[in-house]
Amino acid sequence: DTAVSQTPKYLVTQMGNDKSIKCEQNLGHDTMYWYKQDSKKFLKIMFSYNNKELIINETVPNRFSPKSPDKAHLNLHINSLELGDSAVYFCASSQGQNYGYTFGSGTRLTVV
Amino acid sequence: GEDVEQSLFLSVREGDSSVINCTYTDSSSTYLYWYKQEPGAGLQLLTYIFSNMDMKQDQRLTVLLNKKDKHLSLRIADTQTGDSAIYFCAESPDDSWGKLQFGAGTQVVVTP
Repeated sequence: DTAVSQTPKYLVTQMGNDKSIKCEQNLGHDTMYWYKQDSKKFLKIMFSYNNKELIINETVPNRFSPKSPDKAHLNLHINSLELGDSAVYFCASSQGQNYGYTFGSGTRLTVV
Repeated sequence: GEDVEQSLFLSVREGDSSVINCTYTDSSSTYLYWYKQEPGAGLQLLTYIFSNMDMKQDQRLTVLLNKKDKHLSLRIADTQTGDSAIYFCAESPDDSWGKLQFGAGTQVVVTP
């Protein structure tokens, strides 16, 4: 299946831990994104990579570090997790700026 | 999204038409989008409209764009229970490197 796939789907962890979320797309898209959706369903962009190069880095704490080993993968590593990091994180990809995104199904992160 | 506004809730009877409204602020957006999010799932691109169009029809979906008022609407004809979801309006300003600015989402509940 052609898709954007993220793992894990659910992640429950304690405050202070470090965790990673992986994302892969097999659509051949050049651009990948991470979005955060809070408890009120508000979606905000965190990062964007185009052909492995960082092009958008919104005001996100340094504890969040994206890594793109190739244009089909964009992983998100989070250090020293805090309660406020609890949210659903969505990976997405697009081909070009104006063709809309294909979203992954999300990773629900719960920090306890 | 502080720049894209939508009403938060819409209740509609099965078989009736639903109209979801959105206002945006950046007139440079070349495309405007509607996404659908079902519970526990990622966002699915429903339709989009090019900014030089006033209307786009796609089966049961009709998108209307009033560029002067920066107003976008999505009409769903013959609404079904499967249309119950959150609907997000999004804009992508030309200088934003493909970043989508989302509205807060409209929760549509379809009653029998």
